[in-house]
Amino acid sequence: AQSVTQLDSHVSVSEGTPVLLRCNYSSSYSPSLFWYVQHPNKGLQLLLKYTSAATLVKGINGFEAEFKKSETSFHLTKPSAHMSDAAEYFCVVSGNDMRFGAGTRLTVKP
Amino acid sequence: IAGITQAPTSQILAAGRRMTLRCTQDMRHNAMYWYRQDLGLGLRLIHYSNTAGTTGKGEVPDGYSVSRANTDDFPLTLASAVPSQTSVYFCASSEGLAESSYNEQFFGPGTRLTVL
Repeated sequence: AQSVTQLDSHVSVSEGTPVLLRCNYSSSYSPSLFWYVQHPNKGLQLLLKYTSAATLVKGINGFEAEFKKSETSFHLTKPSAHMSDAAEYFCVVSGNDMRFGAGTRLTVKP
Repeated sequence: IAGITQAPTSQILAAGRRMTLRCTQDMRHNAMYWYRQDLGLGLRLIHYSNTAGTTGKGEVPDGYSVSRANTDDFPLTLASAVPSQTSVYFCASSEGLAESSYNEQFFGPGTRLTVL
């Protein structure tokens, strides 16, 4: 069995400040981990994925995430938030099926 | 067409009615999926298909059925809609099989369904 917990349902940052979206996972396998972004009234788009290669994964739009097995975490970061980053973000764990977190809504203030 | 299309974009439906949500992909992907998205619950898998002629149950399959007559189309049917099926429904596809952990899934724009 596997599951994923996104620790914050809502994160609010000011434009130009760092972003941290937290994700912890549980899996009986060596999982793959993904972050997806969903802009309002849109489908989900892949930001980045970890598949047992480098533990620091770089994605699109300046986002990156670090896989920490000892902490069972896969937190998403970005050094400097942009207004266009405002969206819903989903952490996903994949073993023999995919499990989505509940989502974190990111608000970016001017 | 580029990627995944879904129809309708939105629908209001009376309880007890039958409804089919359509999904078409043009990427020749093997696997296709249907999810429902509810506030605070993320996306939950309803059904999936690894290839034409085969389907499987996901996390929340009750009240839904699917078919996969060909590679491109994967319709989702609600035989007798109930208010608890009010949700946003997303179709997705992946090149690899559903059981593969390395799959990137590609998502359609969604169908917003309201059952009254």
